[in-house]
Amino acid sequence: EAGVAQSPRYKIIEKRQSVAFWCNPISGHATLYWYQQILGQGPKLLIQFQNNGVVDDSQLPKDRFSAERLKGVDSTLKIQPAKLEDSAVYLCASSQKVAASFGSGTRLTVV
Amino acid sequence: GNSVTQMEGPVTLSEEAFLTINCTYTATGYPSLFWYVQYPGEGLQLLLKATKADDKGSNKGFEATYRKETTSFHLEKGSVQVSDSAVYFCALIRNTGGFKTIFGAGTRLFVKA
Repeated sequence: EAGVAQSPRYKIIEKRQSVAFWCNPISGHATLYWYQQILGQGPKLLIQFQNNGVVDDSQLPKDRFSAERLKGVDSTLKIQPAKLEDSAVYLCASSQKVAASFGSGTRLTVV
Repeated sequence: GNSVTQMEGPVTLSEEAFLTINCTYTATGYPSLFWYVQYPGEGLQLLLKATKADDKGSNKGFEATYRKETTSFHLEKGSVQVSDSAVYFCALIRNTGGFKTIFGAGTRLFVKA
């Protein structure tokens, strides 16, 4: 089966600019996750969708981050405005049951 | 709360050495436990899993046993290869109105030829 697809792979922006990431989960996977992985740390859950509804967004900085999952399939994560500390790899994952499958991530550098 | 603690890296070994990466967890109830591996420039891949006490997960020569009495899930491999160089993440999954994965900080492994 095709894996979780993410784009772009890399993005460099200036602080205060906006950026959006896209994720296409594995077909049939109802649950979709966005994680932030700062260099040297483990992934931190930002938001979890079940179909197109939000299950957990307790660690999403809602003043600047937003995410949507239209029609319960693809998802976008947006940052506006970006800060230097947002530099990280943003991982998308999807699951059907317990274990999640991860995409390759988008590496964001904010300068 | 739920948390995962891994041994700090980096771990540097010679090829064919024995590997142990320690992982302990704190959780209410009975979580499922996982090891993920992240090769340079790639996303996380599921390496192995165990869903109940005393289960042993194994894959590609790696093993880990779910020890409820010590709340541990240590990763072991008898003979590492250069290609095993990666970052290894221990994780637990709780079903709290949806499966939520909590990761450890990761342990980087370097294997020298």
